[in-house]
Amino acid sequence: EAGVVQSPRYKIIEKKQPVAFWCNPISGHNTLYWYLQNLGQGPELLIRYENEEAVDDSQLPKDRFSAERLKGVDSTLKIQPAELGDSAVYLCASSPGATGELFFGEGSRLTVL
Amino acid sequence: KNQVEQSPQSLIILEGKNCTLQCNYTVSPFSNLRWYKQDTGRGPVSLTIMTFSENTKSNGRYTATLDADTKQSSLHITASQLSDSASYICVVKEETSGSRLTFGEGTQLTVNP
Repeated sequence: EAGVVQSPRYKIIEKKQPVAFWCNPISGHNTLYWYLQNLGQGPELLIRYENEEAVDDSQLPKDRFSAERLKGVDSTLKIQPAELGDSAVYLCASSPGATGELFFGEGSRLTVL
Repeated sequence: KNQVEQSPQSLIILEGKNCTLQCNYTVSPFSNLRWYKQDTGRGPVSLTIMTFSENTKSNGRYTATLDADTKQSSLHITASQLSDSASYICVVKEETSGSRLTFGEGTQLTVNP
């Protein structure tokens, strides 16, 4: 069974440019998470979806970050415009429910120059 | 504010030796505690999940303990291998409708030959 798939694995952009990350969760997992992880720190929640509904987006910087999960399956996280401080790893995770075990993707490493 | 604190921040041991990582938390109400292993450049992978009633849980050479009264957990690694070099992250889940997860910053373990 395929795990959580994320792309791209690496992205280098200049500040003020837009960037988008894509995540395909494990089949059947209705809960999807986007996390931000800075070097040497634990992941920080950006947004959590239950099917296509964003049920926790309180930590998402909505002035520049947006996310969508239109059909309750794969999801896209967008940053526009990117800032230097956005350089980090963006992790996607899925679980069979809000109480289930989390399965993480390999992450998308963003470098903003 | 719910917090998860891990110690030590980093640890270097020789191959074959044992080690113990610590996790203290203030998350309440408590649902479960999870330990994840994160290899460099990869996403976290679950090692154990422990509920309130579980004191000890093993996964191969990894043994996690939980003291819900003192809100402490430990992860013991036996007969360490080079492949154990990774960051070990403690995660605590709240028993609320939001099911929020609180991540520690991780302990960076290096196993040297």
